[in-house]
This record gives sequence, C-alpha cells and structure tokens, in this order.
Amino acid sequence: ELKVEQNPLFLSMQEGKNYTIYCNYSTTSDRLYWYRQDPGKSLESLFVLLSNGAVKQEGRLMASLDTKARLSTLHITAAVHDLSATYFCAVEELLGDKIIFGKGTRLHILP
Amino acid sequence: DVKVTQSSRYLVKRTGEKVFLECVQDMDHENMFWYRQDPGLGLRLIYFSYDVKMKEKGDIPEGYSVSREKKERFSLILESASTNQTSMYLCASSRFRESRSPLHFGNGTRLTVT
Repeated sequence: ELKVEQNPLFLSMQEGKNYTIYCNYSTTSDRLYWYRQDPGKSLESLFVLLSNGAVKQEGRLMASLDTKARLSTLHITAAVHDLSATYFCAVEELLGDKIIFGKGTRLHILP
Repeated sequence: DVKVTQSSRYLVKRTGEKVFLECVQDMDHENMFWYRQDPGLGLRLIYFSYDVKMKEKGDIPEGYSVSREKKERFSLILESASTNQTSMYLCASSRFRESRSPLHFGNGTRLTVT
C-alpha cells in the first residue's frame, strides 16, 4: 500500500531564508506532484516530476525527484511572505491510477 | 482553462440523510477523483474513476459510494450521513495516465452533518 510522508508538517521561517520540505513515499512510483493550497482555497498544481533526477523550478521554488530513494524535495530560496501556504506532495501508483497525498506542510513566512 | 465545478460550496445535513455531492468537469478528462480533507490528515482518497461506469476504491471508501454515468460527471453519495463524515470534500479530474497531467481541483464542498 502506497504511503506518503511529508516533513515538516509545520514550518515557520523568516523572509530571506532558505528551507526544504521533504516528501518520502513507500512504493515504486514514476510520478510525483507538488500542489499549493491557500487558506479557504482549493489546490493549485505547482510541479509534475516524471523521472529520476527530474528538477523543476518556478521562481523561488525548486522541486526534485529521486525515485531510487523514493524522495522528493521542495526547496524554497530567499522566502517571501507571499509563499505562505500549505504545500502538498502527491504520488501516483506505478500500476493503477491511485494518487495519494501527504498530510501537507503548512508554511508560515514571517516578514 | 480546465474547470471542475462542485455543485455546493456549503451543505448542512442531518444524521441518517442520504447526501449527494456532484462534480462536473468541462475538459473531457478520463479520470475523476473524490478526496476528503481534514485538519492534520491532509487529503484522503475516497473513490476514483478512470472511465464511465468504472469506479475504484481509494483508501477510505467505507460509508460512501460513487456514480459515473457520464464522462463529465462524478457523484459522491453518502448513503446514511454520520457526524464523522463532516469534512471538506474535494473533487478532481485529470487526463489519462500517459498524458502526465496533474489533477485539477474543484473549489470543494464543506459538508456539516448534525
């Protein structure tokens, strides 16, 4: 059974600092997603990572995937207040279409 | 732009009632999903469907059923609502697996069962 673990679950950080959110998963997969959710809103797709070593960047966010370690990271560079949100990773089963989410990382960036 | 529409933003029902949550997508997506979101638990998959009249159980299907009679519509049914089904319900859709597309989410239905 596919399990997805994110850590930390809550992160409070200063503007201008760097930090990384980790996403581990329990079974083989070739497809991992990162989403952002603002309070009271639905989820918005950030990145789709499809192969080992995949790296995607958008602004101050960079996501990477290591399928051998079953690990993805979301790195935040020089954080700004606008990045405050909850970030979810989601993993798709290799066989089948089930997509399982982590519990989310609530990111709070202090001005 | 993909649009996933959930019929109700807020819903209040009584224990024991039969509840229908409707979801419609306008982009001819093959796959549709129902999740519930609870504080501290993230999103948990209830059911999903990869084709009309097809359904697959997710991780927490107990107390729920689904219906997919048309490609664009995926309904979640609570046969006899209970207070532990009070939650935010999120519908999502995506293209077939080989398209490598992410999920597109609706705005959610906040269901309260009293």
